[in-house]
Amino acid sequence: SQTIHQWPATLVQPVGSPLSLECTVEGTSNPNLYWYRQAAGRGLQLLFYSVGIGQISSEVPQNLSASRPQDRQFILSSKKLLLSDSGFYLCAWWDTLGGQFFGPGTRLTVL
Amino acid sequence: EDQVTQSPEALRLQEGESSSLNCSYTVSGLRGLFWYRQDPGKGPEFLFTLYSAGEEKEKERLKATLTKKESFLHITAPKPEDSATYLCAVNSGYSTLTFGKGTMLLVSP
Repeated sequence: SQTIHQWPATLVQPVGSPLSLECTVEGTSNPNLYWYRQAAGRGLQLLFYSVGIGQISSEVPQNLSASRPQDRQFILSSKKLLLSDSGFYLCAWWDTLGGQFFGPGTRLTVL
Repeated sequence: EDQVTQSPEALRLQEGESSSLNCSYTVSGLRGLFWYRQDPGKGPEFLFTLYSAGEEKEKERLKATLTKKESFLHITAPKPEDSATYLCAVNSGYSTLTFGKGTMLLVSP
């Protein structure tokens, strides 16, 4: 069966510091992968998605970037965090039989 | 641009008191409507996918229905463990979803 991992689970970072969040998927090959941010009162916002290694589509221009160095690895990064980057970050993959399945999430607090 | 509106924003029920959550959508061409359950501090858990008007799916106390403009999530005789935020999303192609803001359900014993 397929599983999706995210780490770290929680992160507290100062403004201006860099960020790297990692997502890996097991049990599937060449999945479509997604990064979402969930902020209070704003719902799930799609940030990036990838249909393959090195292929990244950005949905919202911002302070963040994404990379896909391996088939089952998706990384979300920032060079300098802003207060507004705080939120709950979710990685997901697309199962062609059903829909999107989500990881456990990373709670990021920028102080 | 796809739009999804969920109502109510929050709903409080007594255990056993049945009700429905609404998801209204506007899409150029519906490729699927999705329901998720999300517990605090966790990722959304997939519940159902509906593809065409008239389709219904059930899972335990939950039943999802779909029309050309909206979907309902019916909760029959809810229990406290059904308390969660329920999210609705639509897919109109390109393997991306547009989500509503969710309905926060609280079921009291």
